[in-house]
Amino acid sequence: NAGVMQNPRHLVRRRGQEARLRCSPMKGHSHVYWYRQLPEEGLKFMVYLQKENIIDESGMPKERFSAEFPKEGPSILRIQQVVRGDSAAYFCASSPSFRDSPLHFGNGTRLTVT
Amino acid sequence: AQTVTQSQPEMSVQEAETVTLSCTYDTSESDYYLFWYKQPPSRQMILVIRQEAYKQQNATENRFSVNFQKAAKSFSLKISDSQLGDAAMYFCAYRSALSTNTDKLIFGTGTRLQVFP
Repeated sequence: NAGVMQNPRHLVRRRGQEARLRCSPMKGHSHVYWYRQLPEEGLKFMVYLQKENIIDESGMPKERFSAEFPKEGPSILRIQQVVRGDSAAYFCASSPSFRDSPLHFGNGTRLTVT
Repeated sequence: AQTVTQSQPEMSVQEAETVTLSCTYDTSESDYYLFWYKQPPSRQMILVIRQEAYKQQNATENRFSVNFQKAAKSFSLKISDSQLGDAAMYFCAYRSALSTNTDKLIFGTGTRLQVFP
């Protein structure tokens, strides 16, 4: 059973470009979480999605950031018009259900904005 | 709002020795979960151990054990017989058990553990 798959592993974008980060949850998992890790810091919650629904986006910046988890295909975290401050590692985690299920994390995507 | 504090940015231990990593948290909730995650240089987040707040017994996973002091809101991780492969960043995390909340984890800032041969 493959784990949580994130791609790309590394992504370099120039200021003003768009970044698209993909996450395929573990098989059978319908809950996806996105976290951001700035250098030398812990992970910060961004958004929680179930299939076709955003459940909690309290950690998402109000502008330029969006996330989706369609019925078919991976979850996508999209960052428009990237700025240097967006440089970070972005982690996806999945779980099979709400409550009492441990989160399984992917290896993250390191975004570098030049 | 809940917060998690790890006051030790770096710790070191000799191989085969024991080390304890500290974590304190702040919450007004009575039911919650606490976790320790390990992040090696590969960046993967690996669950080390988990504790349910309603359980008085401290969780144990092989060489890893916790000292959970609910009244003091303290959740330290003890690593016994340290191995070179234990070297990593360790994150303490909190998750509410309230049904109205999502499963989001609140992380501390981490402790970097070095293991010397």
